[in-house]
Amino acid sequence: DTEVTQTPKHLVMGMTNKKSLKCEQHMGHRAMYWYKQKAKKPPELMFVYSYEKLSINESVPSRFSPECPNSSLLNLHLHALQPEDSALYLCASSQVSGRSTGELFFGEGSRLTVL
Amino acid sequence: GENVEQHPSTLSVQEGDSAVIKCTYSDSASNYFPWYKQELGKGPQLIIDIRSNVGEKKDQRIAVTLNKTAKHFSLHITETQPEDSAVYFCAASKYNFNKFYFGSGTKLNVKP
Repeated sequence: DTEVTQTPKHLVMGMTNKKSLKCEQHMGHRAMYWYKQKAKKPPELMFVYSYEKLSINESVPSRFSPECPNSSLLNLHLHALQPEDSALYLCASSQVSGRSTGELFFGEGSRLTVL
Repeated sequence: GENVEQHPSTLSVQEGDSAVIKCTYSDSASNYFPWYKQELGKGPQLIIDIRSNVGEKKDQRIAVTLNKTAKHFSLHITETQPEDSAVYFCAASKYNFNKFYFGSGTKLNVKP
């Protein structure tokens, strides 16, 4: 099973709302990622969790709050977003190996629209 | 940090022709180079990858070559089909470093 599942697929929210994006994988991967992707652009790294601990935060605004409840789940909590935050949010996972970089597997993404 | 450049930004080929997409990277410590295909409205899908201890890797109609000296790697698709039409991204990463640097993407259009 090489699948990363993201919910919801589409989300529309106002600037005062609080919502969450969810991600799940059952490949035994111990690194999980959030990427943001704007139209016609490559994925842009936001956060990396390694062994359920936040290891990389690419200076993301605090209105985005990640959470990794366990090794299979990753959440992204959204609060007071701006219209420019509208994008495709991608979750990904990979193995963590002392020998080499693991393959990165993406989910299908959550399309977020901020009104 | 690493800088990955990808060319061309768009590529149109006739069905059955070959397509080549090229990427260069700046950090000689990068040692893992995956290629992703992204169809409209979907997440990127890993299609092939290569590690720095290998010069070439092939999987059916898709191949990737790596030149460590010149710091560039290429994706080759032979006998292209309309379903190959998508955006392709190259990426580079370092040993046990959970950060992937992506190229800017190539939109491939295969005309029937």
